[in-house]
Amino acid sequence: DIQMTQSPSTLSASVGDRVTITCRASQSISSWLAWYQQKPGKAPKLLIYKASTLESGVPSRFSGSGSGTEFTLTISSLQPDDFATYYCQQYDSYSLFGQGTKLEIK
Amino acid sequence: EVQLVESGGGLVQPGGSLRLSCAASGFTFSSYGMNWVRQAPGKGLEWISNIGSSSTTKYYADSVKGRFTISRDNAENSVYLQMNNLRVEDTAVYYCARAGGQLWSRYWGQGTLVTVSS
Repeated sequence: DIQMTQSPSTLSASVGDRVTITCRASQSISSWLAWYQQKPGKAPKLLIYKASTLESGVPSRFSGSGSGTEFTLTISSLQPDDFATYYCQQYDSYSLFGQGTKLEIK
Repeated sequence: EVQLVESGGGLVQPGGSLRLSCAASGFTFSSYGMNWVRQAPGKGLEWISNIGSSSTTKYYADSVKGRFTISRDNAENSVYLQMNNLRVEDTAVYYCARAGGQLWSRYWGQGTLVTVSS
């Protein structure tokens, strides 16, 4: 089975910072990876699919990269609305989410 | 506007059964696969099942295989999750989501809470 390791589990940052979240797969998943943002008490929101394709309506400060086993989600300049929990999801073999990264205000 | 509305959650005893429903609107339901994803209190997301647009394919996570059954009714624009032999660890908010083409999810419902407890 494919395992997904997301890091860090918690990230403290300030408005305007550039932040990167990493997701590693235990075996190659090509580019079959999505990223989601979730706020407390709300459903997840799709940000990126196929590793780097930005979902319509998502601000361009969000970007995704990677292929094979290593992937990153980058927020180029943090905005107040971006403080949330982020999840990666592989969909190469069935599906599995990463453990999540909580992005906190420093 | 795409809308997904889950229902059927509640309190059930271990070993019991529950059937979740998800009513879809705002898109051609019969053209899309559908996912169920759950989230235990304070925990992360867990994909649990997917059904293809015509019910030809059905996939399950190992944690629910043999206990949960996904189905859909394209005439009713609804997808269902029959949950049998429920365990305490099945306690979670269950989300219905429209697949984006594979097992990722573009649109999500608001979720329905299932509590398994004696």
